[in-house]
Amino acid sequence: EVLLLDSGGDLVQPGGSLRLSCAASGFHFNTYAMSWVRQAPGKGLEWVSSIDSGGLRTFYADSVKGRFSISRDLSKSTLYLQMNSLRAEDTAVYFCARYKGALKEHFEHWGQGTLVTVSS
Amino acid sequence: DIQMTQSPSSLSASVGDRVTITCRASQDIRNSLAWYQQTSEKVPKSLIYSASSLESGVPSRFSGSGSGTDFTLTISGLQPEDFGTYYCQQYHYYTYTFGQGTKLEIK
Repeated sequence: EVLLLDSGGDLVQPGGSLRLSCAASGFHFNTYAMSWVRQAPGKGLEWVSSIDSGGLRTFYADSVKGRFSISRDLSKSTLYLQMNSLRAEDTAVYFCARYKGALKEHFEHWGQGTLVTVSS
Repeated sequence: DIQMTQSPSSLSASVGDRVTITCRASQDIRNSLAWYQQTSEKVPKSLIYSASSLESGVPSRFSGSGSGTDFTLTISGLQPEDFGTYYCQQYHYYTYTFGQGTKLEIK
């Protein structure tokens, strides 16, 4: 069974940093591209960032480019999202998602989400 | 940037009804279109990919069609567990744009 366990969400002040983690199990982690998607309170889904299976190619939404960094540790089967210079508008539930395969495919599996609140 | 526009934004329907949701892309995305469902359980669930392929385990009352810029999701014979919000998403471009969502409510 594919399991994605998101963690790391917290209350952080504007300008602060946070690192989210997504622990993967039930599949060969180094075979699939991965992504982060967020959902602000009462709003729709917004793609944030993606990384290929080998960790060499990364993509970011304009809203987070230069502030967020996606990475993966193949030895730990874990996906990360380093979030710097956080703003109030970054407040959201962050979901990790596994692609069906490569980057030009859809998000087949989702984690349960972790809440990030940016507020003073 | 590519835009994905869903219609309607919300609709009310009864158990047993047939419902259609449309999604329009601002550029040609071939058949790189997925549909997701988000119910009170909060975690999005994949329903349809490649515009018309049913995800494993998803009931056959869900179906998708379209290519290029115009797509539809149809639910034939609504069940109580189908009420929630539906999102389309393009994955032809590396911006993975979602539609704004269609909230399906019980009439």
